[in-house]
Amino acid sequence: NAGVTQTPKFQVLKTGQSMTLQCAQDMNHEYMSWYRQDPGMGLRLIHYSVGAGITDQGEVPNGYNVSRSTTEDFPLRLLSAAPSQTSVYFCASTIRGLGTGELFFGEGSRLTVL
Amino acid sequence: GDSVTQMEGPVTLSEEAFLTINCTYTATGYPSLFWYVQYPGEGLQLLLKATKADDKGSNKGFEATYRKETTSFHLEKGSVQVSDSAVYFCALRGNSGNTPLVFGKGTRLSVIA
Repeated sequence: NAGVTQTPKFQVLKTGQSMTLQCAQDMNHEYMSWYRQDPGMGLRLIHYSVGAGITDQGEVPNGYNVSRSTTEDFPLRLLSAAPSQTSVYFCASTIRGLGTGELFFGEGSRLTVL
Repeated sequence: GDSVTQMEGPVTLSEEAFLTINCTYTATGYPSLFWYVQYPGEGLQLLLKATKADDKGSNKGFEATYRKETTSFHLEKGSVQVSDSAVYFCALRGNSGNTPLVFGKGTRLSVIA
């Protein structure tokens, strides 16, 4: 059972570089989201999507773009990386309307911006 | 807006000690409440939940009771093990449609043998 798969697991970027964090789920979940986890800050929502073609901003969306062209995939793009974006990023999904509220998380992607 | 406040860690306990991690919330209406656990090097996973006042969620020896009068959802375990060492997150979901989950800042628990 793959569940939620994130790639890459580790990445080092230089300031100003761009990259995409990939997230794919094979559970036919309509809801997908991206969080960042920082020491002392807990999890903060970046963007989320309630279905293909629909995205919305979370608490900390600046510097990040998302799109949802398929149910399975929800990539997170950093157009011009900044040191403040050094963090661990988690993708999470669940059934439509957040259902029971149980989010299924990927294993995380650790990003360092120099 | 909705928010969750957890006790700050880290919490260090000896094996078989009693655990309480406090969580209080601010929300309108009747939110659903959750505890998630993050083991080292992994993503979060749901530990337990409660969807209405006075409900008790339980799993793996952990319990939490939804107390609307005190807006609390404290996590308890009677006898912790080394394998319970993890970060614990309290979370809530508002009661309207696709409202995203709001997480607390997490409490790190270390259990020593």
